[in-house]
Amino acid sequence: DAKTTQPTSMDCAEGRAANLPCNHSTISGNEYVYWYRQIHSQGPQYIIHGLKNNETNEMASLIITEDRKSSTLILPHATLRDTAVYYCIVRVFGAGSYQLTFGKGTKLSVIP
Amino acid sequence: EPEVTQTPSHQVTQMGQEVILRCVPISNHLYFYWYRQILGQKVEFLVSFYNNEISEKSEIFDDQFSVERPDGSNFTLKIRSTKLEDSAMYFCASRTESRSGNTIYFGEGSWLTVV
Repeated sequence: DAKTTQPTSMDCAEGRAANLPCNHSTISGNEYVYWYRQIHSQGPQYIIHGLKNNETNEMASLIITEDRKSSTLILPHATLRDTAVYYCIVRVFGAGSYQLTFGKGTKLSVIP
Repeated sequence: EPEVTQTPSHQVTQMGQEVILRCVPISNHLYFYWYRQILGQKVEFLVSFYNNEISEKSEIFDDQFSVERPDGSNFTLKIRSTKLEDSAMYFCASRTESRSGNTIYFGEGSWLTVV
């Protein structure tokens, strides 16, 4: 799986948008970008995934650059409960076990 | 919303004892996983399981570890003779097999403390 690079930590004011960047310059054509988060040692929670088009769900938006070498996860109105470690993972989408490889992620602190 | 459930939430065991961690994956899922996270470290892949056999395992998953799906609903991780360094949070995960459903969903974890 392609390697990703994320900032170690970020702060965001409560109610503002949190924009979390991720670089994945070696991503291959059959790899998707997945985002998970982990709130204080709870199980990793799936947020969103995408291939090349921008995606939105009830939790977040995912913006992927045209060359697919980087992406941004956007939490539109961050709350204190969004304080967590956010992981950007690239992974093949398809049949097979295709496990996830977690890096250190970005520790997002939402500040009142 | 369907979820992966794990028991126990916390277990303390003496070094050298056998431990079994249990998981009930989401009901229509076919791929099952165990991960672990030592305190303050990254989430690490241990093993994946499909069609009643191990499909992939990491270097961590040595002969002390085994997995089983004994009854079609539970998925277990057994550690035969626990060591101090096995103290960690263990996460079970599962996913279905379809073109539209490829996401891996995690349980809340089982804290294992080896003393």
